[in-house]
Amino acid sequence: QLVESGGGVVQPGGSLRLSCAASGFTFRNFWMSWVRQAPGKGLEWVANIKEDGSAKYYVDSVKGRFTLSRDNAKDSLSLQMNSLTVEDAGIYYCARARSGYYLDTWGQGTLVTVSS
Amino acid sequence: QTVVTQEPSFSVSPGGTVTLTCGLSSGAVSTSHYPSWYQQTPGQAPRTLIYRTDTRSSGVPDRFSGSILGNKAALTITGAQADDESDYYCILYMGSDIWVFGGGTKLTVL
Repeated sequence: QLVESGGGVVQPGGSLRLSCAASGFTFRNFWMSWVRQAPGKGLEWVANIKEDGSAKYYVDSVKGRFTLSRDNAKDSLSLQMNSLTVEDAGIYYCARARSGYYLDTWGQGTLVTVSS
Repeated sequence: QTVVTQEPSFSVSPGGTVTLTCGLSSGAVSTSHYPSWYQQTPGQAPRTLIYRTDTRSSGVPDRFSGSILGNKAALTITGAQADDESDYYCILYMGSDIWVFGGGTKLTVL
């Protein structure tokens, strides 16, 4: 199970930190991902992190602004989001990534609103 | 920048068969893109249907199948049911640990 938290309302240029708590599987053995969905729009892959946190990959639009991290001791995943714009608004889903480049377990999402 | 393309919308009659596709703005989709498919109903998180081109995720009915058709990945629903009415998304692996979603297909069953 994956449970996201940390969403909320933030002004443009502001920051927000999302968290994802994992349970029911051995968290440290899996790559993890964030996927987002702008209101009324499609899904967009945001970032991936390797099992041990040693490698991280981001979509170009968030590079330099978002930082993905994980704490395997606490079975948790975090996404630090800085310099937010209205284009970053939407539901952010935490997901488990599998070898073969797919996502097999999804959280219910947390809503990020960027508005002045 | 390569774009992953999907039909914006599709319609199928109950009991009918429909094939949704996932292509590239430049080039052909192959198994090396590891296409996967997801179903999303309004207000819900996505559900994984197919991965590695043609492998059904646990619990997914066998009326859902994946393949490569020509130069695109394809999701075929055989014997469509009313609760198949959803948005369907594909992901393609683009190399260098970059993943790209297609824009999604809104499937209507009527």
